[in-house]
Amino acid sequence: DIQMTQSPSSLPASVGDRVTITCRASQSITTYLNWYQQKPGKAPKLLIYVASSLQSGVPSRFSGTGSGTDFTLTISSLQPEDFATYYCQQSYSTPRTFGQGTKVEIK
Amino acid sequence: QVQLQESGPGLVKPSQTLTLTCTVSGGSISSGSYYWTWIRQPAGKGLEWIGRIYTSGSTNYSPSLKSRITISVDTSKNQFSLNLTSVTAADTAVYYCARSNYGSGRQFDYWGQGTLVTVSS
Repeated sequence: DIQMTQSPSSLPASVGDRVTITCRASQSITTYLNWYQQKPGKAPKLLIYVASSLQSGVPSRFSGTGSGTDFTLTISSLQPEDFATYYCQQSYSTPRTFGQGTKVEIK
Repeated sequence: QVQLQESGPGLVKPSQTLTLTCTVSGGSISSGSYYWTWIRQPAGKGLEWIGRIYTSGSTNYSPSLKSRITISVDTSKNQFSLNLTSVTAADTAVYYCARSNYGSGRQFDYWGQGTLVTVSS
């Protein structure tokens, strides 16, 4: 199985901050990397797919970069509705695997 | 707009079989090239991929659950289902169904709202 490791696990931040979350795969996954946002009691929501493509309807303050084993999700200016948990996920091979999550919380 | 909706018992006794169904609306489950997937999330924890079924009926399962899982599809009802046998408390989780495409990306673009399953006597 491909292991996905996110950092940090918790990220205190303020509205307006630039926020960066990293995700590392245990082997190369080329660009088969997706990012999801999850709020309490809700299903995950797709933000970014194939490392850098913005899902339709997702604000442009979200962006993704990376290839191979190292990836980042950036929120350029954190908004109140962005406080949530973020997961990376590889779609290179089965079983599909997720990072452990990064909780962006109010500083 | 595709929508997915999970259904099934909220409470299952240990050693019994859990059966969940995902009903797809807004499109045919047998059209296009999609994987129909089950994912679960224990309370306060991360996401675990359980397995998937392709529109052709072929399946892939998590190695850690493979001996206890069956995923099937009923195209006449536009549904797919998860059977998980010999459940224990460790199977207590919110279970999600989701769709991913067969081609580029293979991302989970549509999700159900999730259904909580508790394993307890």
